[in-house]
Amino acid sequence: DAGVIQSPRHEVTEMGQEVTLRCKPISGHDYLFWYRQTMMRGLELLIYFNNNVPIDDSGMPEDRFSAKMPNASFSTLKIQPSEPRDSAVYFCASSLRRYRTNYGYTFGSGTRLTVV
Amino acid sequence: QQQVKQSPQSLIVQKGGISIINCAYENTAFDYFPWYQQFPGKGPALLIAIRPDVSEKKEGRFTISFNKSAKQFSLHIMDSQPGDSATYFCAASTAGLQGAQKLVFGQGTRLTINP
Repeated sequence: DAGVIQSPRHEVTEMGQEVTLRCKPISGHDYLFWYRQTMMRGLELLIYFNNNVPIDDSGMPEDRFSAKMPNASFSTLKIQPSEPRDSAVYFCASSLRRYRTNYGYTFGSGTRLTVV
Repeated sequence: QQQVKQSPQSLIVQKGGISIINCAYENTAFDYFPWYQQFPGKGPALLIAIRPDVSEKKEGRFTISFNKSAKQFSLHIMDSQPGDSATYFCAASTAGLQGAQKLVFGQGTRLTINP
C-alpha cells in the first residue's frame, strides 16, 4: 500500500479564495481524520469520519471549513473563503479499529497551506 | 480533561546518551498511549504505544514507562543517535466502543542529538 496520500503537497493562495485539500486513505481503513498543525497550537483534530460518515466536527474552526468523504477512498477538506490565519500544515490520517483494540494512525505527508 | 501536557519543549542530548520526554494527562478514561515521531516535511509516524495494564514497554532502544496512579508516561530513548533527531509527540485516547480512537496530542518535543 502507498500509505495515506494527500494532495497538493503545497498550496499558496490569496485571501478570499477557495482551497480544497484532498486525501486518499489506506485501503480498508475505516476511520479518517483531518488534523491541522501549527507552531502555536500543535496538532489539532478538525474532524473525523467512520465508514464515510462524519462523527465529530467539533474541531472545525468555523463555518468556512467543511469536509466530505463521498466514498471510502477519498476525502476533501475545503476552506472558503480562506484567510491568512488558516496558514498551517493540514494532515490527513487513517486507521483501522476494532472493538477495544486500537491501531495507530497512519498520517499522510501533509499539505502546507499558505494564505497571503 | 482532554489535555495531554508534554515536556520539555526542546531537548538536546549527546550521541549515546538517554533522551527522556515526559507526558501527563488528566482524563482517567484514556487507555491507549502512543508516541509519534515526526521528521521535517513528513507526517507523524507511530513509534511505540502502551496500554495502562503494563508499566513498561520496550521496543529496541525505545521504552515507554507508564505510571497510572500519577497519570504520567514517558518515552526513553537509549543510546540516542543523530538519526533520532526529530519532533516527538505523546498522545492519548480511549478504546471504548463509542467514539473512535480520537487521539489527543501533546505539544511536541523537538529532540536534537549532537554527534
